[in-house]
Amino acid sequence: NFMLTQPHSVSESPGKTVTISCTRSSGSIASNYVQWYQQRPGSSPTTVIYEDNQRPSGVPDRFSGSIDSSSNSASLTISGLKTEDEADYYCQSYDSSNLYVFGTGTKVTVL
Amino acid sequence: EVQLVESGGGLVQPGGSLRLSCAASGFTFSSYEMNWVRQAPGKGLEWVSYISSSGSTIYYADSVKGRFTISRDNAKNSLYLQMNSLRAEDTAVYYCARNSYDILTGYYGNYFDYWGQGTLVTVSS
Repeated sequence: NFMLTQPHSVSESPGKTVTISCTRSSGSIASNYVQWYQQRPGSSPTTVIYEDNQRPSGVPDRFSGSIDSSSNSASLTISGLKTEDEADYYCQSYDSSNLYVFGTGTKVTVL
Repeated sequence: EVQLVESGGGLVQPGGSLRLSCAASGFTFSSYEMNWVRQAPGKGLEWVSYISSSGSTIYYADSVKGRFTISRDNAKNSLYLQMNSLRAEDTAVYYCARNSYDILTGYYGNYFDYWGQGTLVTVSS
């Protein structure tokens, strides 16, 4: 079993760029794909990145994903920040024993 | 349009039971793996249970194993979660979530591409 740890919160001004990390506690981050979900207040989660760096149709290219084996972490980058990006973001990966593991979640505040 | 609509939530006493349903529409339900995911008030997401497209393979999180039972009725396009021996820590919004699947290639992705709106379960005396 492994855990995915995210910063509790990040904040930035409109138009700027934020990057959210997701660090895997054990095992390689590259061994299973990482997904990112956005959850706006009072709404259900939606996928913004799947399979490390793929964007579903309809998700703007301001959202991008990557993995870094040296830090054993994944990252979600949101560029050109908009007020509508204010939400909670969760990373998620797969584990053969615990099946689906979610990150601890990060609150993004657009100042 | 893909729709997942949960129902069956409510207030239940500790030790009680509840059955959640998820009505699916807008896609070929019998082709897709499905899950229940929950979110306690003010907390993060927690995967609860998985069921394969045919219902033959099932997994549970350790936190609910032995108390919850996932099932599906492909003829009725419905997913269920029978919850027994409920505890205060089971209080959460319960979402049904569809696993991604590429019908053209037969590839199943290990992530959730559609979620329902959720149903609130409150366990309290």
